Parts: sequence; structure tokens; C-alpha cells
Amino acid sequence: DGGITQSPKYLFRKEGQNVTLSCEQNLNHDAMYWYRQDPGQGLRLIYYSQIVNDFQKGDIAEGYSVSREKKESFPLTVTSAQKNPTAFYLCASKGYEKLFFGSGTQLSVL
Amino acid sequence: SQQGEEDPQALSIQEGENATMNCSYKTSINNLQWYRQNSGRGLVHLILIRSNEREKHSGRLRVTLDTSKKSSSLLITASRAADTASYFCATDARGSYIPTFGRGTSLIVHP
Repeated sequence: DGGITQSPKYLFRKEGQNVTLSCEQNLNHDAMYWYRQDPGQGLRLIYYSQIVNDFQKGDIAEGYSVSREKKESFPLTVTSAQKNPTAFYLCASKGYEKLFFGSGTQLSVL
Repeated sequence: SQQGEEDPQALSIQEGENATMNCSYKTSINNLQWYRQNSGRGLVHLILIRSNEREKHSGRLRVTLDTSKKSSSLLITASRAADTASYFCATDARGSYIPTFGRGTSLIVHP
């Protein structure tokens, strides 16, 4: 089955802790994106990567970090510097001008 | 920054009725896309319309684009309860190729 796989589905973070959200794709897409979704605010771009070993900050990158060591993988780390991390996180890849999304990770703070 | 804005924010209709939602955007675009999101799930691509197109159909979906007004509309005809979801427009700004989303329209279709 081709697509985007995000894990875990639910994640809890303790204060001062870094957590990493996984995003894997087998669609052979070059471009990948991380979005944050808060209720009533739509999707906001955190980071994006157009190609392996390259990534760029989006509109709300502060408190987040990413890596793109493999074409298939684009993990997002939510660092302790992100003071309001509770949100639904969506990973996507782009092919044929369309975005293909994973099923999302709900991150909450303990 | 939010490129597109959907209107209305929420829409409640009866099964069988048509649903129309609108999207306005700010800058010149390469294309505009509509996505659907069921609660707690990822977004699913519905339809793409290019900047040189004015109307496009896909099944019960009809999309229009007016680049002079920087606006688009999505019409769902003969709605079903299963159409209940949030609908988002996304634009690829000219020269950017980074999809930017609006806040979405929440559609409820009552059986």
C-alpha cells in the first residue's frame, strides 16, 4: 500500500522533554512538509524539504527541528523550547502538484 | 501566513441539498486545490484547478476559479451524510510551490 505513514497516533510530552514524530513515505516524492493544526486555525507550515539533505523553515518553525537524511523519511522533533506544543501534526508529501497526507499525530502535554 | 480564507466557517444542510463554500486568496497563484478532512484524520485531495482554468468537475464536485477576484468556490451537489467533513482550499503561490491553506469550512450534512 503506497502512502504516508505517521507514528505514533497519540503522543504525550512532559515538560522539558523533546519528542520526535515519525513520517515515512513510499511514494518516491522529493518534497515533504510538516503542518501544525490547531482548532479553528487551519494548517500552518512548520518545515518543508524539497530534496534529501535540505530543508527550510516555514511560518512557525521556532521550537521545532527536522532532518531529511533519506528520501523516505522526514521526522519532526518538538523541542522543549516549544512552549505550546499541544496540536494535531500532519505530514505530507507532494507529487503531481498534489499533497498526500498522513493520518496525523495528536500531541498533548502532560 | 494564511493565504486562503474559506467562507462560511460552518455550514449545516440537509441530505440532498447542495453545499457551496468559497475561498479567497491574496497573491497570484499557479493552482488552487480543495481538500477534505474527516475529524481526527489527514487531508484528502479532492480537485485541482489551474490558474488558466475557470471551471472543473469531478463527480458531484464543481470548482470555479475567478483569478480577477482571487476567489474560488466548491459546490457539492446532492449532498450525503458521508460528506460531513471540513473542507480546505490550498494555493500554490506563483514562484513558491509551497501549498498554503485556509482555515477551512466545517460542513455538516443531516440525514
